[in-house]
Amino acid sequence: AQTVTQSQPEMSVQEAETVTLSCTYDTSESDYYLFWYKQPPSRQMILVIRQEAYKQQNATENRFSVNFQKAAKSFSLKISDSQLGDAAMYFCAYFFYGGSQGNLIFGKGTKLSVKP
Amino acid sequence: EPEVTQTPSHQVTQMGQEVILRCVPISNHLYFYWYRQILGQKVEFLVSFYNNEISEKSEIFDDQFSVERPDGSNFTLKIRSTKLEDSAMYFCASGQGSSYQPQHFGDGTRLSIL
Repeated sequence: AQTVTQSQPEMSVQEAETVTLSCTYDTSESDYYLFWYKQPPSRQMILVIRQEAYKQQNATENRFSVNFQKAAKSFSLKISDSQLGDAAMYFCAYFFYGGSQGNLIFGKGTKLSVKP
Repeated sequence: EPEVTQTPSHQVTQMGQEVILRCVPISNHLYFYWYRQILGQKVEFLVSFYNNEISEKSEIFDDQFSVERPDGSNFTLKIRSTKLEDSAMYFCASGQGSSYQPQHFGDGTRLSIL
């Protein structure tokens, strides 16, 4: 069964600094998708960034980028120039589309605090 | 940008009562999902729905749960006889049905069972 592990329950970063959130996953599939979702205190689920496993190039969305290491099954999120609004829970998620339509499998999340 | 809309935002219900959580997916999406997040825990998959039937369901989605698409726009989750442990945030999500599936989530319904 596929699993997603986020080993850092909490992280803290100074405003304007850079922080990296870790995520590892376990799968026997070769073609899948990985996502980072942000959940602010309002508890919305906001898509931050996504990565297709067949692409070697790491995805980037403005201040957010990933380090995707397929062989190591690692998918970390880097937030550059951290802002107060980045404070939230961050969930790593795995998606495999095959047979049935599939579903997202989430990690337990990392709570990010941003210090002014 | 199109959004997934969920109502109500907060539902308080007595244990044993039935609740219906409502969702309006993005209009051109074909795949619909319900997820649950118990406070302080990770988001868990409940069920996926396509072409007017359940595609996949988790162990959590037992006989007390049902889903329905009563018309062309709404997608509902019914919990027949609520239990205290059903208290959670319930998220609806929808996707376009390609193999590239950035599921779009609604803002969630906070269900509190008393």
